Amino acid sequence: AQTVTQSQPEMSVQEAETVTLSCTYDTSESNYYLFWYKQPPSRQMILVIRQEAYKQQNATENRFSVNFQKAAKSFSLKISDSQLGDTAMYFCAFMTTGANNLFFGTGTRLTVIP
Amino acid sequence: KAGVTQTPRYLIKTRGQQVTLSCSPISGHRSVSWYQQTPGQGLQFLFEYFSETQRNKGNFPGRFSGRQFSNSRSEMNVSTLELGDSALYLCASSLVGGLAGFETQYFGPGTRLLVL
Repeated sequence: AQTVTQSQPEMSVQEAETVTLSCTYDTSESNYYLFWYKQPPSRQMILVIRQEAYKQQNATENRFSVNFQKAAKSFSLKISDSQLGDTAMYFCAFMTTGANNLFFGTGTRLTVIP
Repeated sequence: KAGVTQTPRYLIKTRGQQVTLSCSPISGHRSVSWYQQTPGQGLQFLFEYFSETQRNKGNFPGRFSGRQFSNSRSEMNVSTLELGDSALYLCASSLVGGLAGFETQYFGPGTRLLVL
C-alpha cells in the first residue's frame, strides 16, 4: 500500500522569505510520480510541481522547487520569495505508473504573513 | 482551453436521498477521476473512468457509483445518503490516464455536498 505523510499541519512564513514543506512516502514500487498540489480558500486544487521518480534532477517551476531523495523516500517543496497568494493548503501526492489514482498526504496549511 | 467543470457547485440533501454530480473534463481528456475530501479522512480516491469503463476503484461502499459517457463527461451517484457523505467531491481529468506515460490530473472546482 502507498502512504504519504506530511508531518507539518501548519506553517507560516514572512512575505519574500523562503519556506520548505516536508513530505515522505512509502511504496514498494520502483517507478512512480510525485506531485505537490495547492488548494487556496477557493478549494480549487492547483498543480504546483511534479516529479518523475526515474529522473534524478529535481524539478523546478519558477519560485517552486523540490528536493527529491528517492532512497529516503522524501519529496520536500521549497517556495522562494513567498507571496501572499501562496497562502493555501499544500498537498503532497503520489501516483504509481499504470494506475491513474493519486494518494494524498494530509496537507500543510501555509500562511504567508505580510 | 476551458478547465474541468463540475455541477452543481453546492448541494443540500437529507439522509436517505440520492444525489448525482456531474463533471465535464478538459476538451480532449478521456480519463476522469473522482475524489472525496473531508476534514476527517482527507482526500480519498473514489474511482476512475476511461473510455466509458471504470478502470480503478477506491475503497468505498457500493452506494457510490459512477459512469462516463461517450463525450467523456462523467457522473457520480451516491444513493441512500448518510451524514458522513457530507464532503467536497472533486473531479480530475487527464489525457489518457497514464496509458502513454507520465500525465498530470487537472482538477475541477468541486461540488460541496451537505447531508442533513
